[in-house]
Amino acid sequence: QSALTQPASVSGSPGQSITISCTGTSSDVGSDNPVSWYQLHPGKAPKFMIYEVTKRPSGVSNRFSGSKSGNTASLTISGLQAEDEGDYYCCLYAGVSTLVFGGGTKLTVL
Amino acid sequence: QLQLQESGPGLVKPSETLSLTCSVSGGSISSSSFYWGWIRQPPGKGLEWIGNIYYSGNTYYNPSLKSRVTISVDTSKNQFSLKLNSVTAADTAVYYCARLRYGSGSYDYWGQGTLVTVSS
Repeated sequence: QSALTQPASVSGSPGQSITISCTGTSSDVGSDNPVSWYQLHPGKAPKFMIYEVTKRPSGVSNRFSGSKSGNTASLTISGLQAEDEGDYYCCLYAGVSTLVFGGGTKLTVL
Repeated sequence: QLQLQESGPGLVKPSETLSLTCSVSGGSISSSSFYWGWIRQPPGKGLEWIGNIYYSGNTYYNPSLKSRVTISVDTSKNQFSLKLNSVTAADTAVYYCARLRYGSGSYDYWGQGTLVTVSS
């Protein structure tokens, strides 16, 4: 199972919207395998942001949304805020014995 | 509120065994709906899945690490552990433990992570 492809970095100004892509193949992201998204800040526990491609856990701001088109899953953050700055990772679940993370994307809020 | 906390040596010598424990509080490790996993992040690099364990002891490992990894569980202590043998500098990383929601395939609770450096 190959790693999923994410852009190394994205940036946006406060109030804007940004989208982070997570590209796989027709065998993984393009099929029915769930994709989740995580936010990492140095020294803190990673935060679970999106699961099953589009679902948002309780407590996560509705500014975060997930989607999928073809072999690419995406995380969109609307109304960008300074606190959104950090690293974001997608993760493909193809069963309890197969999980693959994307390469990670550094989000900078300008 | 579920909490996970990693513990173990922060420095391991090359060729030796890295050993970490994840202590779970605020919930039972024996819950049938969850698996428990280890994930790592080398400095400047991305996340890498290491493996998962069920409370019954069933284990699942990343094929790239399978020959060197052992994950075990101690339900009496509400803990699970990671052992990685024959370590090299490439195993230097922040190691995270996390809870896997079996139904959705997502890690919903994570520990803060612990940095393990492999150096003589």
